[in-house]
Amino acid sequence: NAGVTQTPKFQVLKTGQSMTLQCAQDMNHEYMSWYRQDPGMGLRLIHYSVGAGITDQGEVPNGYNVSRSTTEDFPLRLLSAAPSQTSVYFCASSFSRTGETPLHFGNGTRLTVT
Amino acid sequence: KNQVEQSPQSLIILEGKNCTLQCNYTVSPFSNLRWYKQDTGRGPVSLTIMTFSENTKSNGRYTATLDADTKQSSLHITASQLSDSASYICVVILSGGYQKVTFGIGTKLQVIP
Repeated sequence: NAGVTQTPKFQVLKTGQSMTLQCAQDMNHEYMSWYRQDPGMGLRLIHYSVGAGITDQGEVPNGYNVSRSTTEDFPLRLLSAAPSQTSVYFCASSFSRTGETPLHFGNGTRLTVT
Repeated sequence: KNQVEQSPQSLIILEGKNCTLQCNYTVSPFSNLRWYKQDTGRGPVSLTIMTFSENTKSNGRYTATLDADTKQSSLHITASQLSDSASYICVVILSGGYQKVTFGIGTKLQVIP
């Protein structure tokens, strides 16, 4: 049981480049979400999805797009990378959106934008 | 000002000793509170969940407490082990579910031999 798998683990981009961070879960969870973790700040919600075909914005959505074509996959797209997007990105999933079941996190993607 | 504040920011203790981590929150309406453990280079892993009506909950050597009136929670670690070295994050989930979640910055714990 792999849980939540994120790829790549590390990535360096130049300003203006685009890329997709991959996230897949094998637990048949309906709720999936993306967070960024920056020094001196708590994890912040970027986008989330409550099921296939349904996505919505979180606290810090600007500069990012998501889609949810299947229950398993929830990729995060950076449209035009900026140095402010240098961060560690975590994907997470949960059986329930209500908070009654825990979030299961991937091991993160460390992104550097130069 | 973070609406979920944790203290101390960092802590060093000797192996075998106990420690207590604090979490104060101001966000509302409260649904539940979780403590997560995050090892270096890994994603957070849930340790405990506390709902509004619960005061204490244990998970092995970890015991969480909650005072919903004063909006304070603590995580007590008993007989610490080297593997307890990690960041411990307090997470408050509001009535809207995970769409309304606030993470603390975390307490970085180092257990030394």
